[in-house]
Amino acid sequence: DSGVTQTPKHLITATGQRVTLRCSPRSGDLSVYWYQQSLDQGLQFLIQYYNGEERAKGNILERFSAQQFPDLHSELNLSSLELGDSALYFCASSVGEPTGNYGYTFGSGTRLTVV
Amino acid sequence: GQQVMQIPQYQHVQEGEDFTTYCNSSTTLSNIQWYKQRPGGHPVFLIQLVKSGEVKKQKRLTFQFGEAKKNSSLHITATQTTDVGTYFCAGYNYGQNFVFGPGTRLSVLP
Repeated sequence: DSGVTQTPKHLITATGQRVTLRCSPRSGDLSVYWYQQSLDQGLQFLIQYYNGEERAKGNILERFSAQQFPDLHSELNLSSLELGDSALYFCASSVGEPTGNYGYTFGSGTRLTVV
Repeated sequence: GQQVMQIPQYQHVQEGEDFTTYCNSSTTLSNIQWYKQRPGGHPVFLIQLVKSGEVKKQKRLTFQFGEAKKNSSLHITATQTTDVGTYFCAGYNYGQNFVFGPGTRLSVLP
């Protein structure tokens, strides 16, 4: 157990639907990051939050949005889902400001299948 | 934008053989991190390198940061079946975010 909790572990949904993925960072970590990993692909950075504020956006589609709540958990919302959105979505957290001085702790991911 | 490449994409070795993966950045990096992802698992942080020419060792793993801070390598001595997985490097520049390389998938034949 890495200390980063992601729910649900698996999600199967139809095209056009909307889903919400949830992440609770490791205790004490203020930074949360979302990554997408398609089959046999690398990790694509989506979005980053620090202490409730959005800090950076990567290749995140307009159909996707996220937020970090006062208790530091984060949610990634995916809407108007397409088959190509099927992937493993990882949340990661790190201690302190996102200055690149700390390693990321990844959750076990949410496997999204769009049918 | 910054790009991080890794070679090889795949590597198959016999147990006991050595393994090396190389990471190259299109820009000079502030630091670099390495992660391991076991099949079906999530990436796990291995190490961070910050200084030019830095070399760090973890048991059979040796990590090196290039003098120009644009490349890095991970060398595993005498691979074991427990080394199976995908090894990612992630390069960082101040004010930006870590950019992960595509990874090198290692398989170890017993």
